[in-house]
Amino acid sequence: GAGVSQSPRYKVAKRGQDVALRCDPISGHVSLFWYQQALGQGPEFLTYFQNEAQLDKSGLPSDRFFAERPEGSVSTLKIQRTQQEDSAVYLCASSLAFGQLNSPLHFGNGTRLTVT
Amino acid sequence: DAKTTQPNSMESNEEEPVHLPCNHSTISGTDYIHWYRQLPSQGPEYVIHGLTSNVNNRMASLAIAEDRKSSTLILHRATLRDAAVYYCILRPNPLNNYKLTFGKGTLLTVNP
Repeated sequence: GAGVSQSPRYKVAKRGQDVALRCDPISGHVSLFWYQQALGQGPEFLTYFQNEAQLDKSGLPSDRFFAERPEGSVSTLKIQRTQQEDSAVYLCASSLAFGQLNSPLHFGNGTRLTVT
Repeated sequence: DAKTTQPNSMESNEEEPVHLPCNHSTISGTDYIHWYRQLPSQGPEYVIHGLTSNVNNRMASLAIAEDRKSSTLILHRATLRDAAVYYCILRPNPLNNYKLTFGKGTLLTVNP
């Protein structure tokens, strides 16, 4: 079946540009996560949605980062005025239900952002 | 969050078993042990999880020490496709702590 889909797969932005990264979760999945992965490191948590509600944005590195999921399905991660340190792979994951014990996370293949 | 310790890298030969260790000495009684793996240029993929008893699925087996301070992911016959970074993660229960916190994991190399 269809997995988590992320677009674009690659994005090159000039420093100072705004970017928008899209995530299509698995249909029916309530929970949605964004992670940031720097080269050679494990993924780092950015933010979490339960349906359309953003319940945790504690991992967003600055106020230049903004995420939304207005209809509880597709989510967009927006980065304003990109900086070189924003270069990373941005991963989206979804899981079936918040309350379902140990529901695994299903990850997309990420968007690789390069800021020049 | 309780932390896990894994070797940075391990090497195996194709069609041989692989035992990937994980230490989690500060695990609490309600923490589940999860394993994910990440193939090159892909997102992480769920492998297996357990609480106290050993677990088997089509991908791997998970052996959990009796004191739960360590666990081992077992790939029974490694293939080239199993070359990946393997993450051992403690997931607290109840699920109001929903985040998965990844470490650096173990880079598994499989030799033909």
